[in-house]
Amino acid sequence: DGGITQSPKYLFRKEGQNVTLSCEQNLNHDAMYWYRQDPGQGLRLIYYSQIVNDFQKGDIAEGYSVSREKKESFPLTVTSAQKNPTAFYLCASSPGHHPEKLFFGSGTQLSVL
Amino acid sequence: GENVGLHLPTLSVQEGDNSIINCAYSNSASDYFIWYKQESGKGPQFIIDIRSNMDKRQGQRVTVLLNKTVKHLSLQIAATQPGDSAVYFCAEGSMDSSYKLIFGSGTRLLVRP
Repeated sequence: DGGITQSPKYLFRKEGQNVTLSCEQNLNHDAMYWYRQDPGQGLRLIYYSQIVNDFQKGDIAEGYSVSREKKESFPLTVTSAQKNPTAFYLCASSPGHHPEKLFFGSGTQLSVL
Repeated sequence: GENVGLHLPTLSVQEGDNSIINCAYSNSASDYFIWYKQESGKGPQFIIDIRSNMDKRQGQRVTVLLNKTVKHLSLQIAATQPGDSAVYFCAEGSMDSSYKLIFGSGTRLLVRP
């Protein structure tokens, strides 16, 4: 089945720790995105990438980092600089360079211990 | 992921009735609008979209209406089923806005059997 796979589904972070969320797609999409979802709020864009080896900051990039070494993969690292990391993280991809038709993964719930 | 629906406005409907979910958008220059459905613990799923040069678009059991005068978008679901229970949110985008979608916070739809 074609789609986007995020792992793990649940992740716990200790104080001062960096954690990495995985996102893999086999849809052959050029563009990939990371969103953060907090209860009662709309999705907010963290980072996006339109092509391999290139990525751009979204609205809330501070405390996060990404890489795009392969078309299929767009991992997100939540660094210790992100002081409020507890949220539901969603990865998405789109066939074109505009997010008109986003395909989302099933998300990773990150919590702080 | 499971807490996404907290603090959201809720619409409760009887199974078989029609549902109308509303969304006020912010940017009069937005070129397209999208409705997503998100079930508990899952990623959002594309339902239907509409371009700014249209007033109405129909899909299978769903209709989206766009009123640009008052910047209002609505999603109508015909013959609502228990499987329609989810959080629904709208998003607006612009071809000029550097790949950014603005997401609404959502409405929780509960279908009573």
